[in-house]
Amino acid sequence: GAVVSQHPSRVICKSGTSVKIECRSLDFQATTMFWYRQFPKQSLMLMATSNEGSKATYEQGVEKDKFLINHASLTLSTLTVTSAHPEDSSFYICSARGRTGFNEKLFFGSGTQLSVL
Amino acid sequence: GQNIDQPTEMTATEGAIVQINCTYQTSGFNGLFWYQQHAGEAPTFLSYNVLDGLEEKGRFSSFLSRSKGYSYLLLKELQMKDSASYLCAVRVGGTNAGKSTFGDGTTLTVKP
Repeated sequence: GAVVSQHPSRVICKSGTSVKIECRSLDFQATTMFWYRQFPKQSLMLMATSNEGSKATYEQGVEKDKFLINHASLTLSTLTVTSAHPEDSSFYICSARGRTGFNEKLFFGSGTQLSVL
Repeated sequence: GQNIDQPTEMTATEGAIVQINCTYQTSGFNGLFWYQQHAGEAPTFLSYNVLDGLEEKGRFSSFLSRSKGYSYLLLKELQMKDSASYLCAVRVGGTNAGKSTFGDGTTLTVKP
């Protein structure tokens, strides 16, 4: 099956620093990638949708200047948490949807646990 | 937007059958998914329904009724490893094509 690679798996950083998370589709071209955030014991909350070569679409309440998304190629999308604060500590997961033939399900990355001190 | 409801917690016995329900209210329905998520891990795909009826895949089955906005995930011959959170997700079409909204998840505990 299709594989989505997400790195890093765990990040611990100081407040005020920026953190970049990468999401790569390894064996298919991901025309659309989704970024989710999940707090402990809660469900996945969609943050933004990114389409290759265009600006990301952010969900209501998500600061686009704080969570920078770049989807420069069909196999790579990045999420940068700028000036991270302790309240940004969460589990971030990407998922990808390919071209025809992959419309039925999302392929998830393994997630990134971000801890901001 | 989408409203997705599923029970918060369920407990069942190893070897038994459990049914996890999901109700939803949405516009532009374009498919319902069930995912399994173990603590600290990403969700894994279990099933997909876009037409009414039952989809069976091994020990797991999923049912959909679009007119009722209702789905269930049926797990048979429960095993201890089935203890996990089960997420119901609804995908919409139209201008938001492909976007899925997740329910809060049902934490299933399987006991010996």
